[in-house]
Amino acid sequence: AQSVTQLGSHVSVSEGALVLLRCNYSSSVPPYLFWYVQYPNQGLQLLLKYTTGATLVKGINGFEAEFKKSETSFHLTKPSAHMSDAAEYFCAVSRDTGFQKLVFGTGTRLLVSP
Amino acid sequence: ETGVTQSPTHLIKTRGQQVTLRCSSQSGHNTVSWYQQALGQGPQFIFQYYREEENGRGNFPPRFSGLQFPNYSSELNVNALELDDSALYLCASSLQGGGTNNEQFFGPGTRLTVL
Repeated sequence: AQSVTQLGSHVSVSEGALVLLRCNYSSSVPPYLFWYVQYPNQGLQLLLKYTTGATLVKGINGFEAEFKKSETSFHLTKPSAHMSDAAEYFCAVSRDTGFQKLVFGTGTRLLVSP
Repeated sequence: ETGVTQSPTHLIKTRGQQVTLRCSSQSGHNTVSWYQQALGQGPQFIFQYYREEENGRGNFPPRFSGLQFPNYSSELNVNALELDDSALYLCASSLQGGGTNNEQFFGPGTRLTVL
């Protein structure tokens, strides 16, 4: 079965600092991996996804993530945090894009201070 | 293009009651998935509907049931409500057969409180 572990329920950074949100996955088959962002009282918005091909994936709002099979990781980064990045971030894994059942991590709340 | 909409926004029920939540999928999408997000947790997959048939189910009891209509909108029904059913219920629509571009688009959710 697929599973996702997000290290750190809360991450605090200063505006302009590097953002690093950690995600490790477990999958018995080649995974499809996703990062979603959730702002207060809103649904989930896809930031980026890895399916096949290039292991460094670029998403919206300046975020990117690198798929590292040897480390079973898919960490999310952004070079310079902005106040508007404050939100809840979820890593998710899917067995395949056809079925699309997403297995989410418990989430990491990103706090950005001035 | 209209996004995914859900109704109602908020709902308060008491234990033992039944509830129906509704979801309108994004234009052109044929698949709807439902997720339950308890407070402080990540969303958990309940089930998915494709062409009006259940197309996969998570670890939820049979009192969670659903429907998909010919226009691809969907309902989630929960019978015999329990306190632990209090959560944000998210609907996501997508296009099966869209290859690696079949992204799931989420609605804003319905907040269910069971007293």
